[in-house]
Amino acid sequence: GAGVSQTPSNKVTEKGKYVELRCDPISGHTALYWYRQSLGQGPEFLIYFQGTGAADDSGLPNDRFFAVRPEGSVSTLKIQRTERGDSAVYLCASSLGGWVTDTQYFGPGTRLTVL
Amino acid sequence: AQTVTQSQPEMSVQEAETVTLSCTYDTSESDYYLFWYKQPPSRQMILVIRQEAYKQQNATENRFSVNFQKAAKSFSLKISDSQLGDAAMYFCAYRSPGGGADGLTFGKGTHLIIQP
Repeated sequence: GAGVSQTPSNKVTEKGKYVELRCDPISGHTALYWYRQSLGQGPEFLIYFQGTGAADDSGLPNDRFFAVRPEGSVSTLKIQRTERGDSAVYLCASSLGGWVTDTQYFGPGTRLTVL
Repeated sequence: AQTVTQSQPEMSVQEAETVTLSCTYDTSESDYYLFWYKQPPSRQMILVIRQEAYKQQNATENRFSVNFQKAAKSFSLKISDSQLGDAAMYFCAYRSPGGGADGLTFGKGTHLIIQP
């Protein structure tokens, strides 16, 4: 595709439910990042993939959050036992490689609302 | 850990005028990269401009330029000849030279309003 795509665009769920958020990076990009943007805040780093492996998951807030990228392309962010505090926009970005000079291209995000 | 501070929650400017958005950061590293990203209502973050800390020359991209003061740890964005399409949230971001690990560290953003 032409850019990074994320589905769904919006997700409303109830407290305690499980959700999956999908990210489709730019074709050929080996690096993939997930960020969380709470209302009125800048994006906050969650996890970085280089290929299929999570090279850095230090930003994941707790063990309810998990992400995979099994074939080195599409990634899924999984949130178990959702809480109201998980409500935010979840942004995905990809870059050609993991070098700091590689521009990160962002998707439009998924707005998650936990009731 | 690095921190990025944007002290202006909102700025307003008349169309065609110049506006400067402020950003300061805190780091113990000597080499790093700084960025300005634009986020329109569509939510998609777009890279506006990038500055490498080892470069003394300020980066410019058409109407966008930065004033990078390394000693003061300041990185402001100047937008010349403001246009209606410039209206958006602007985020200052920091990245360590190590690359992938840590991702980008963002400030809270400045909401830029363009008055026609």
